[in-house]
Amino acid sequence: AQTVTQSQPEMSVQEAETVTLSCTYDTSESDYYLFWYKQPPSRQMILVIRQEAYKQQNATENRFSVNFQKAAKSFSLKISDSQLGDAAMYFCAAGKGTGTASKLTFGTGTRLQVML
Amino acid sequence: EPEVTQTPSHQVTQMGQEVILRCVPISNHLYFYWYRQILGQKVEFLVSFYNNEISEKSEIFDDQFSVERPDGSNFTLKIRSTKLEDSAMYFCASTRTQLTGELFFGEGSRLTVL
Repeated sequence: AQTVTQSQPEMSVQEAETVTLSCTYDTSESDYYLFWYKQPPSRQMILVIRQEAYKQQNATENRFSVNFQKAAKSFSLKISDSQLGDAAMYFCAAGKGTGTASKLTFGTGTRLQVML
Repeated sequence: EPEVTQTPSHQVTQMGQEVILRCVPISNHLYFYWYRQILGQKVEFLVSFYNNEISEKSEIFDDQFSVERPDGSNFTLKIRSTKLEDSAMYFCASTRTQLTGELFFGEGSRLTVL
């Protein structure tokens, strides 16, 4: 079984600043994936970034990067140069390894506000 | 860009009524999912569907729930006799491969059971 915990219900950041969203997880799987999904208001969830657990290198997608600490079971998301369009609900999620990776376990989400 | 579409966006129903939520996955996708989110709670997995059969389901997905892909494009979730606790946002998702773990979600259908 997998569990995902997001301890920050809401966060805010000034435009152009950097913000870090926290996520911890627990899993008995040796092979798994971790994800951050973004859900803008009244829009569908879209994948922001993905990390394969067997990779030591932290994933990066443009202004989005993760700090994956496998031993600590921590998977935080850093958003650099925050933009108004980054305002959304962010969900951390975990999936099993190959074959059933797409059955995801989600956290409760962090609502990010971006201030002018 | 192809999207997963869901209808209705919001449905209000009386307890005990049957509800069908509809989804049109992205056309070349092979794996289909329903998730739900009760207000203020986590997004929870309900069921996955591949090759015209359920591949996995959660304990939430009891006999009151069913899924089908009747015509090769729509993917439906039926709740036979709704309960108050079925009130939630229901998300459909699809993917072409399970190797990457990336799911493509619809905007959700909000179900309110009175």
